[in-house]
Amino acid sequence: QKEVEQDPGPLSVPEGAIVSLNCTYSNSAFQYFMWYRQYSRKGPELLMYTYSSGNKEDGRFTAQVDKSSKYISLFIRDSQPSDSATYLCALRASGGGADGLTFGKGTHLIIQP
Amino acid sequence: EAGVAQSPRYKIIEKRQSVAFWCNPISGHATLYWYQQILGQGPKLLIQFQNNGVVDDSQLPKDRFSAERLKGVDSTLKIQPAKLEDSAVYLCASSLVTSGANVLTFGAGSRLTVL
Repeated sequence: QKEVEQDPGPLSVPEGAIVSLNCTYSNSAFQYFMWYRQYSRKGPELLMYTYSSGNKEDGRFTAQVDKSSKYISLFIRDSQPSDSATYLCALRASGGGADGLTFGKGTHLIIQP
Repeated sequence: EAGVAQSPRYKIIEKRQSVAFWCNPISGHATLYWYQQILGQGPKLLIQFQNNGVVDDSQLPKDRFSAERLKGVDSTLKIQPAKLEDSAVYLCASSLVTSGANVLTFGAGSRLTVL
């Protein structure tokens, strides 16, 4: 079993729809949960991060973490064509030292105008 | 604030040739990472530097890959000799601190094609 599982899609939805993107993970040491957005031929850029379980909202985006189920989600409300991109979940264990992020494969999202 | 700079953006080489990629992180960022992103996959950490010291290179194929960060600023990643499976985008990232969420800022990447 891989450390982080993410459905690669593609996921195609009409403009204005609510989008749900998800990742599951196996390592209970992960404490920080991030979502990165990556446009074609660009580097990933941070959208949101959460620490431990709970929800966090930022505009049209909501990140949700359920540590008991080892399940994280990103919801996008009122989706726009400009949201079309690959969304990568990224996880990190707590503590200093070696702390590179562990990424999911990414979900390719297409918002149809 | 200037972003993470990488060059070259694209490189095509024959297998068994060598290639080098350069990264200039955000000014003041002590931590620098090199990631490999194969098409359809998420980025995989190759090496992490803290200033000019290596913190983690457990996933770096050391028989062919090498990296250095002289003077704790710019970094170079080298592949010699290249294999077909090295075709990927090589992403450089930097961060200011390594506690908490440790937000990474990525460059646009260097796309390598090995023929």
